[in-house]
Amino acid sequence: QVQLVESGGGVVQPGGSLRLSCETSGFTFSSYGMHWVRQTPGKGLEWVAIIWSDESHEFYADSVRGRFTISRDNSKSILYLQMRSLRVEDSAVYFCAKELLLPAGSTGYFEHWGQGTLVTVSS
Amino acid sequence: EIVLTQSPATLSLSPGDRATLSCRASQSLGNYLAWYQQKPGQTPRLLIYDASNRATGIPARFSGSGSGRDFTLTISSLEPEDSAVYYCQQCRSWPPYSIGQGTKLEIK
Repeated sequence: QVQLVESGGGVVQPGGSLRLSCETSGFTFSSYGMHWVRQTPGKGLEWVAIIWSDESHEFYADSVRGRFTISRDNSKSILYLQMRSLRVEDSAVYFCAKELLLPAGSTGYFEHWGQGTLVTVSS
Repeated sequence: EIVLTQSPATLSLSPGDRATLSCRASQSLGNYLAWYQQKPGQTPRLLIYDASNRATGIPARFSGSGSGRDFTLTISSLEPEDSAVYYCQQCRSWPPYSIGQGTKLEIK
């Protein structure tokens, strides 16, 4: 079955960096667009970034553009999120999510989610 | 950026009742809208995509309707395990993939 397992979260000071990983199995990773979505108690769910299946395109939320970089290793079936210049407001549980793929092609819906990894930005 | 507004914020109903949850978009979405269920301590689960299509394994008591700016998630006969927060999400115009603020459904 489809499995998504995030890691790399932790406590970091403002201005610091973290790299999140999402190890996947149970599906052909290179065929699917992949996303990062975060959740905070106060702001609910917030989409963070997408990378296309062939790594050709990446898009970001305004709140993280220029500070976060999404990437993937299709040979290892792993998704990454490099986070730099972290702010207190980046504190959240970060989920990786696999897109729903229909016969017509990729969609922007999140069919499977990992369990999440907690990032806390605090001095 | 498209803003999604969900109502009500909280809904308290009894088992067997019918639940109607609303999601209104700031711009037309066509039918590019999904619904997710998140139970306490769990990750979100895709219920409905393209406004009215049930995702794999979703019971028939969950149905979605609407197009354009107004969408509805209906749960026809509530069961205790339906207690959760429900989110809508659009993919008509992105980035960003906007997500609503959620409706908390409580089963009395």
